[in-house]
Amino acid sequence: QVQLQESGPGLVRPSQTLSLTCTVSGASINSGSYYWSWIRQPAGKGLEWIGHIYTSGMTNYNPSLKRRVTISVDTSRNHFSLQLNSVTAADTAVYFCVRDSGWSGHTWFDPWGQGTLVTVSS
Amino acid sequence: DIQLTQSPSSLSASVGDRVTITCRASQSISNNLNWYKQQPGKAPKLLIYAASTLQRGVPSRFSGYGSRTDFSLTVSSLQPEDFATYYCQQSYSSPPTFGQGTKLEFK
Repeated sequence: QVQLQESGPGLVRPSQTLSLTCTVSGASINSGSYYWSWIRQPAGKGLEWIGHIYTSGMTNYNPSLKRRVTISVDTSRNHFSLQLNSVTAADTAVYFCVRDSGWSGHTWFDPWGQGTLVTVSS
Repeated sequence: DIQLTQSPSSLSASVGDRVTITCRASQSISNNLNWYKQQPGKAPKLLIYAASTLQRGVPSRFSGYGSRTDFSLTVSSLQPEDFATYYCQQSYSSPPTFGQGTKLEFK
């Protein structure tokens, strides 16, 4: 059973870079034809897809965040990572890492990591 | 971006009730629509994908219906663990987007 676990600092200063890692266990990140996503959720609000990466390194980002986002993958460590530059208080949220699953032209998000709260504050 | 509008935004119901949540897309998305359940402090959990296919392990009291722009999630007989927030999500085009959520509360 595939499990995902986010890790990284819970507090980031404004204008700095948010960095998170998602460690995949229970399967190789290379197994199957999966994309691996980051999704965030501000407190009491809805879900926003940040972007995803394929194990080849190919990425796709949400245009609303594209200028500030980098997602990378390290297959040797079975993890993928998120960097979000120039953060502001608006980037305060719970960040989830997720596997993009699917078949026959359909995709969905499953499974999810438990999420990690990142607060942007001085 | 494709916008998804859920209704209602909140819903009060009792154990045993049948409830339906709707999700309307701003353009046709075929049947590329998924439903998730989120309990407080937890990650969302996939319930239904491709509009009507129940994810493995999800109780059969959940069902999904719809295509193109109009979709629904029905719970046939609410159980205590079903009181949560529900989100629809489209995978028709990038970026994938979510509805604003429907909070299902005890009456």
